[in-house]
Amino acid sequence: AQSVTQPDIHITVSEGASLELRCNYSYGATPYLFWYVQSPGQGLQLLLKYFSGDTLVQGIKGFEAEFKRSQSSFNLRKPSVHWSDAAEYFCAVGGYSGGGADGLTFGKGTHLIIQP
Amino acid sequence: EPEVTQTPSHQVTQMGQEVILRCVPISNHLYFYWYRQILGQKVEFLVSFYNNEISEKSEIFDDQFSVERPDGSNFTLKIRSTKLEDSAMYFCASRRGEAYQFFGPGTRLTVL
Repeated sequence: AQSVTQPDIHITVSEGASLELRCNYSYGATPYLFWYVQSPGQGLQLLLKYFSGDTLVQGIKGFEAEFKRSQSSFNLRKPSVHWSDAAEYFCAVGGYSGGGADGLTFGKGTHLIIQP
Repeated sequence: EPEVTQTPSHQVTQMGQEVILRCVPISNHLYFYWYRQILGQKVEFLVSFYNNEISEKSEIFDDQFSVERPDGSNFTLKIRSTKLEDSAMYFCASRRGEAYQFFGPGTRLTVL
């Protein structure tokens, strides 16, 4: 069965500092990997996705993630965080179906706190 | 920009009552999904729907749940007899073929 582990429940970062959120996945075949962000009371917004090809993917809001098959990881990074980045971040994995990812398995999320 | 919409934003119901949560996926999308998120927990997959039938469902999606695409625009989730533990945020999502899932804003279901 597929699974996603986000080992950090909470992370506190100073504004302007760099950020890395960890994600490890378990999946039997080539995974489709995603990072979503959820602000309080809001839905899920896609930050970036990995389907195939270049293992370093760029997303919105200055985020990037690197797929490392050997480590089964898909860590999210940002060189300089802004106060508006405070939110809940979810890593997700899905299988191939009909040209895209089907039912996604999410991690438990990492709550990002930005210190002024 | 096209978006997935969900109604209502908040539904309060009594235990044992039936509820229907409604979603309008993006118009040219073909694959439809329901997820739920119990307060403070992770998002969980419930069901996927394609070509007017369920393509995949999780163990959460038992006989109390059903989905329907009654017309060309709506996608509904019905819970026949709600339980306290059904209280959660329910997200609808849709996608085309080679694309990621677009999520709606969610419906918060409170079962009393």
